Amino acid sequence: GENVEQHPSTLSVQEGDSAVIKCTYSDSASNYFPWYKQELGKGPQLIIDIRSNVGEKKDQRIAVTLNKTAKHFSLHITETQPEDSAVYFCAASGQAGTALIFGKGTTLSVSS
Amino acid sequence: GAGVSQSPSNKVTEKGKDVELRCDPISGHTALYWYRQRLGQGLEFLIYFQGNSAPDKSGLPSDRFSAERTGESVSTLTIQRTQQEDSAVYLCASSRDTGGSGHTIYFGEGSWLTVV
Repeated sequence: GENVEQHPSTLSVQEGDSAVIKCTYSDSASNYFPWYKQELGKGPQLIIDIRSNVGEKKDQRIAVTLNKTAKHFSLHITETQPEDSAVYFCAASGQAGTALIFGKGTTLSVSS
Repeated sequence: GAGVSQSPSNKVTEKGKDVELRCDPISGHTALYWYRQRLGQGLEFLIYFQGNSAPDKSGLPSDRFSAERTGESVSTLTIQRTQQEDSAVYLCASSRDTGGSGHTIYFGEGSWLTVV
């Protein structure tokens, strides 16, 4: 089955800096890669996703890149703000009929 | 409804008791998922439903855990003879189809279970 590794487990940046979180996956059949943000006491919220037919997607300060050959994908947050502080999870999903498998999460702290 | 609804939001139960956790998915979503999240940990897949059937139950930790879904809507996760290690947030999610199809998966706020 699919296995997703996520790094780093914690990340501290100054406000305005960029943050990068990286994930690798094991199943070459995986074709959908979402990123979720989870604030304390709340359920995960989708922030961006990418499908295997594209290599990069951007939405304002957030971007995701995908390298299918190397089986890794990354989340990039630019101009970080204190409200970006949260736990971020990457996930991968393979063939139709399979559930999302999540990485273990990255706790991002943005200090002002 | 507007989003995935879970109840109860918090549950404290004594060790050995049974608990039922309920999930109301977004209307029209055929796929429904249960995940477990222990304190400070990642999301552990438990089971997912496509309609009323459960093609993948591989994540259920033991035979004390079971889930059902009726009418392609509400799902119930049941934990029998609860143990302290069952303490966690149980998250439900739904999507128009399974994630492998690339449909967005939406999460509820979770049911916080504490076994004392």
